[in-house]
Amino acid sequence: AQSVTQLDSQVPVFEEAPVELRCNYSSSVSVYLFWYVQYPNQGLQLLLKYLSGSTLVKGINGFEAEFNKSQTSFHLRKPSVHISDTAEYFCAVSGNAGGYNKLIFGAGTRLAVHP
Amino acid sequence: DVKVTQSSRYLVKRTGEKVFLECVQDMDHENMFWYRQDPGLGLRLIYFSYDVKMKEKGDIPEGYSVSREKKERFSLILESASTNQTSMYLCASSRQTEAFFGQGTRLTVV
Repeated sequence: AQSVTQLDSQVPVFEEAPVELRCNYSSSVSVYLFWYVQYPNQGLQLLLKYLSGSTLVKGINGFEAEFNKSQTSFHLRKPSVHISDTAEYFCAVSGNAGGYNKLIFGAGTRLAVHP
Repeated sequence: DVKVTQSSRYLVKRTGEKVFLECVQDMDHENMFWYRQDPGLGLRLIYFSYDVKMKEKGDIPEGYSVSREKKERFSLILESASTNQTSMYLCASSRQTEAFFGQGTRLTVV
C-alpha cells in the first residue's frame, strides 16, 4: 500500500523569503512522485514530477524538489516566494501495483505568502 | 492540450436522490480517477479505472459506484445521496506518469 504524509497543514511566510513544504511517502514498490498546486477556485495543476534519474527536479514557477530515497521524502522548495504563490500544494505518489498505477495524495499544505 | 471535462461545476441535490457525475477525457488515457476533496483531508480516492469496464475501489468507496463503458468517459454514481457526501469531486485521467484534472464539481446535498 502507498501513503503520503504532508508534514505541515499550513505554512505562513513573508514575500521573498525561502520556503520548504515537506512530504514523506511510503510504498512497497518503486514510485513516481509529484507536486500539484491548486489556486483558489481552480483545478489541480502539475508543478513537477520525479520519474527517475536526477534526484533534483525543477518545475514551473521556480519550484524544485529533491527525491531522497533513504528518507522516503520529496520536499518542495522555492528560494524566494511571491504573493502569487499563495495556494494549496499537494504531494502525490504513484506506483505500479498489480499492473496499474494508483495515484494517492497527501492532505495538502496551504501556503500563505504575506507582504 | 489535454482536456478533462466534468459535466457540472455546481450541483445541488436532495437527500436520497440518485446522482450522476460525468467525466470525459480527450487523450485516450487508460487510467481515470474519482476523488473527493474536503478541507484538511486533501484528495481521497473513491474509485479508479485502468481500462474499459474495469474498476478498482479506492480508499473511500462506500456509498459510491462507477461506470466506464467507453474509454473516454468515467461516471461516478451516488446511489442515494446523503448530506455527508457534500463535497468537491475531482476527476482525473492519466496514462502513466502524469494525471490531468477536471475543474471539479461542487456537490451540495440538502
